[in-house]
Amino acid sequence: AQSVTQLGSHVSVSEGALVLLRCNYSSSVPPYLFWYVQYPNQGLQLLLKYTSAATLVKGINGFEAEFKKSETSFHLTKPSAHMSDAAEYFCAVSEGTGFQKLVFGTGTRLLVSP
Amino acid sequence: EAGVAQSPRYKIIEKRQSVAFWCNPISGHATLYWYQQILGQGPKLLIQFQNNGVVDDSQLPKDRFSAERLKGVDSTLKIQPAKLEDSAVYLCASSLLGTGEALHFGNGTRLTVT
Repeated sequence: AQSVTQLGSHVSVSEGALVLLRCNYSSSVPPYLFWYVQYPNQGLQLLLKYTSAATLVKGINGFEAEFKKSETSFHLTKPSAHMSDAAEYFCAVSEGTGFQKLVFGTGTRLLVSP
Repeated sequence: EAGVAQSPRYKIIEKRQSVAFWCNPISGHATLYWYQQILGQGPKLLIQFQNNGVVDDSQLPKDRFSAERLKGVDSTLKIQPAKLEDSAVYLCASSLLGTGEALHFGNGTRLTVT
């Protein structure tokens, strides 16, 4: 069965600094991978997804992620953090066979200081 | 396009009482999901519908939880009787048919069991 590991429950950066949120996956078949963001008291919003096309995926709000099969990773980055990026980020994996079942990681809370 | 609608937004009940949540997915989305998100954790899939049929309910505590999706549109999730450990946010999501499709989430229902 597929699974996701997010390293670091909390990541703190200064405004303008690089954001790096780590995600490693486990899947027996080529996966689909997603990053979602959750603001307080809201549902999850899709940032970006990888579905076996380009390995470097660009998403909304300046975020991007790179699929690295050899490392089974799908880390999320943003060159320059903004205060509005403070939120909870979830990585998720879906195996590309049968009915789609999305499995989420435990999340990483991004804190941005001025 | 209208998003996924959920109600109520908040619910407080005592243990052993019953509660029901309602979800209206995005028009035309064949797949509907109910996730449970306990504070500090990632969402956990409870049940997945494809039109009005159940695809996956392997993690649904069937002795107390039930869900239905009549006519392949709206869905209700019920808990009877509730336990303290059921305190969580219940998220409804929908997606188009097919793998690799992103899930669209509602804002969730926050349940507190006292």
